Amino acid sequence: DGGITQSPKYLFRKEGQNVTLSCEQNLNHDAMYWYRQDPGQGLRLIYYSQIVNDFQKGDIAEGYSVSREKKESFPLTVTSAQKNPTAFYLCASSIFAGSNQPQHFGDGTRLSIL
Amino acid sequence: GENVEQHPSTLSVQEGDSAVIKCTYSDSASNYFPWYKQELGKGPQLIIDIRSNVGEKKDQRIAVTLNKTAKHFSLHITETQPEDSAVYFCAASERDQFYFGTGTSLTVIP
Repeated sequence: DGGITQSPKYLFRKEGQNVTLSCEQNLNHDAMYWYRQDPGQGLRLIYYSQIVNDFQKGDIAEGYSVSREKKESFPLTVTSAQKNPTAFYLCASSIFAGSNQPQHFGDGTRLSIL
Repeated sequence: GENVEQHPSTLSVQEGDSAVIKCTYSDSASNYFPWYKQELGKGPQLIIDIRSNVGEKKDQRIAVTLNKTAKHFSLHITETQPEDSAVYFCAASERDQFYFGTGTSLTVIP
């Protein structure tokens, strides 16, 4: 089945540590997105990528980094500079950006601080 | 940038009744409006969408209406069932970004 796979489902970070969240899609979509979800808030965009080797900052990019070396993969690194990383992180993809096509979501990674 | 407001934040209905969730947006350039359903511990799933050249769209028990002049759109669920209980998000899109509402937690009481 085609879809988006996020791993791990749960992740714990120690103070001062960088952690990387995985996002893989086999939908052959060009565009990929990372969102952060906090209780009582909508999804907030961290980074997005319209094409391989290119990505743009979203509304809350500080303390995060991404790479897009392959079409299928868009990992998110939560760096030690992100002081409040506890949240539910969602990865999404769409056929291509600007297409007014729906975004398809993975099942998320819940990140907590130890 | 775009600002999407969603109401109500929580909604409880009796099984079989209808549920209505409303969203407003600020950017008249937005032209695509999807609705997502999110169950606990899962990612959002698209349930219905509408584009700005259409005023209403229906899919079985779910319908969405769009008023471009007033910049608001609504989700209507008829004959609600317990499995409709979830958090629902609206979104507005223009070009390459989506802007999401803050969600509505719907509870259907058997």
